[in-house]
Formats: sequence, structure tokens, C-alpha cells
Amino acid sequence: DSGVTQTPKHLITATGQRVTLRCSPRSGDLSVYWYQQSLDQGLQFLIQYYNGEERAKGNILERFSAQQFPDLHSELNLSSLELGDSALYFCASSVTPSGGTTGELFFGEGSRLTVL
Amino acid sequence: QKEVEQDPGPLSVPEGAIVSLNCTYSNSAFQYFMWYRQYSRKGPELLMYTYSSGNKEDGRFTAQVDKSSKYISLFIRDSQPSDSATYLCAMSLNTGTASKLTFGTGTRLQVTL
Repeated sequence: DSGVTQTPKHLITATGQRVTLRCSPRSGDLSVYWYQQSLDQGLQFLIQYYNGEERAKGNILERFSAQQFPDLHSELNLSSLELGDSALYFCASSVTPSGGTTGELFFGEGSRLTVL
Repeated sequence: QKEVEQDPGPLSVPEGAIVSLNCTYSNSAFQYFMWYRQYSRKGPELLMYTYSSGNKEDGRFTAQVDKSSKYISLFIRDSQPSDSATYLCAMSLNTGTASKLTFGTGTRLQVTL
């Protein structure tokens, strides 16, 4: 158990809808990262927050947004969903903005989103 | 062309075999190299971490980095059924303010009895 909690584990919704994925980082970790994993693209970095502030942005679509709250949990909002958004969404956390000396990220078990 | 290329497999080997997993990359600025292991329906977990070219050993696992060839490898000796998982290589520029790992697509490994 990595200590990172993600909810929901599974989500099935229709095209055009909006969903929110939630992440609680490991106790003491200030940095939260969101990744999207699909079969053909692998693990793609979406966005990082550190202590409530956006720190780095990756290939995140404009239809997607995220935030980190004062209690350090984070939410990833996906709107106007398309079939191609079906994927596993992972949250990861680390203590420091750079992931410490090893760059280690601690991943949750993911939220599997299916868009029909 | 992807920044990091990794053969997706699947790779099936008998128990006790030596396994070689590889990644190539195109960005010579990558400085940190990692291998993550991902069991089915779980998140990735860090297995090995290396910074410089050369070998790093941890038990049955050896990570190898060849920066001149932009090639990294993970060797697993005496493979066990519990090693069955997807192995993802990952690389980082380590900007100092954000760790943005670039992952390979992962190689699925199956170790059979």
C-alpha cells in the first residue's frame, strides 16, 4: 500500500458528461501529480501541484482541470468527455517538488474511467 | 517519434530465467533513470533508480544505463512467478522544481512455472 488514496476506483459515464476524480496523497507529501495511462500512449503526465499551487503542466487537455486544496487532497475534473478519454487516471505524490533525491513518486491504485 | 521507446511485449519466460528489459530514448538531457513495476490493477512502484551511466545492483535486479547509446536495461536474475508484472522505464530531466517523469509504455512480463 503506497499510502495514496484515489476514488472512485471505477467510473462509467457517457460522452459529454463531467466527472471528478479525487486523490489523497501520502501523509506529509506536499506534491501531487496526475497521470493518464492508456494502452497505446502509456503513462502520460498531466499536471503537478505543490502545496496548493500548480507547479508543472504536461499534456493536459483544456477540457481537464485540477486543483489542490488546503488539506492537500487534489481533484481532477474531466468535462465534455469523449470516448478517447477512457483510461486509467493515476495520482502520485512526493514530499518535495522534485520528488526527493531519487525522484520517487508514490502512486495510487488509479481510477478507471470508461466513457460510453 | 516518442521520447522513450519500450517494447510492449508480452515477454514470457520460465521460472529461473534471466530477463532483459530495455528502453531507448532520444532526449540526451535526461539525467535520471528509473524502473517502475506495475502489478495488474495496481499503481506503479519504484523498483530501481540510477543517475549515471553504468550498473546498479539490488538483489536479483540490475539496472544498466548507457548514456552514449541512449539505452537503459533492467536485468532480472532467477526470475520468479512473483516478478510477473509490467515494467515501465522512466526518465527525468530533474528541472529542480518539478519532477516530470517521461515513461515508456511498459513491457508486460510473465514468468511461468
